[in-house]
Amino acid sequence: DIQMTQSPSSLSASVGDRVIITCRASQNINTYLNWYQQKLGKAPELLIYAASSLQYGVPSRFSGGGSGTGFTLTISSLQPEDFASYYCQQGYTFPWTFGQGTKVEIK
Amino acid sequence: QVQLVQSGAEVKKPGASVTISCKASGYIFIDRDVHWVRQAPGQGLEWMGLLKPRGGSTNYAQKFQGRVSMTRDTSTNTIYMQLNSLRSDDTAVYYCARVTYSSGWESFDYWGQGTLVTVSS
Repeated sequence: DIQMTQSPSSLSASVGDRVIITCRASQNINTYLNWYQQKLGKAPELLIYAASSLQYGVPSRFSGGGSGTGFTLTISSLQPEDFASYYCQQGYTFPWTFGQGTKVEIK
Repeated sequence: QVQLVQSGAEVKKPGASVTISCKASGYIFIDRDVHWVRQAPGQGLEWMGLLKPRGGSTNYAQKFQGRVSMTRDTSTNTIYMQLNSLRSDDTAVYYCARVTYSSGWESFDYWGQGTLVTVSS
């Protein structure tokens, strides 16, 4: 199985900060990488697909990059509604696997 | 609008089975694969498997092979996930999620609201 490793596991940031979350795959997954946001008690929501494509309706402060084994999710200016957990997920091969998550908290 | 509506919370004893339903609406049911993902309390997301509604074929994570079954009813646009021989570590919120396709890339664009399954003696 492909292992997905996110860093950091958690971070504290202030409104307006630039936040970068990284995701590393244990083998080459091309750009078959998705990012999800999950708020407490809710289902995840798709932010980014194919490593860098913004899902319809997602604010442009979210962006994704990378290919192969290294990927990033960037929030250019953190907003109050962005405090949540974020997960990367590879769709390159089955079993699809998720990173362990990154919790973004208020500083 | 697209909706995936799951059945309600369940409490089961160890060794029992649970069946969760996921009723789809707002799109052509047989055109989109549906996956199941679970999340133990305070933990991350874990992929369990998928069902292709058009023909009913499935692909399960090795971890759940022999214990999980995913089926569908095309007359009611409903997908079912049955998990047998429940253990305490199966306590989790179970989600169904629809796949969207973009030039060969797949991702989950709609999710059910989640079903909490509690396994306790």
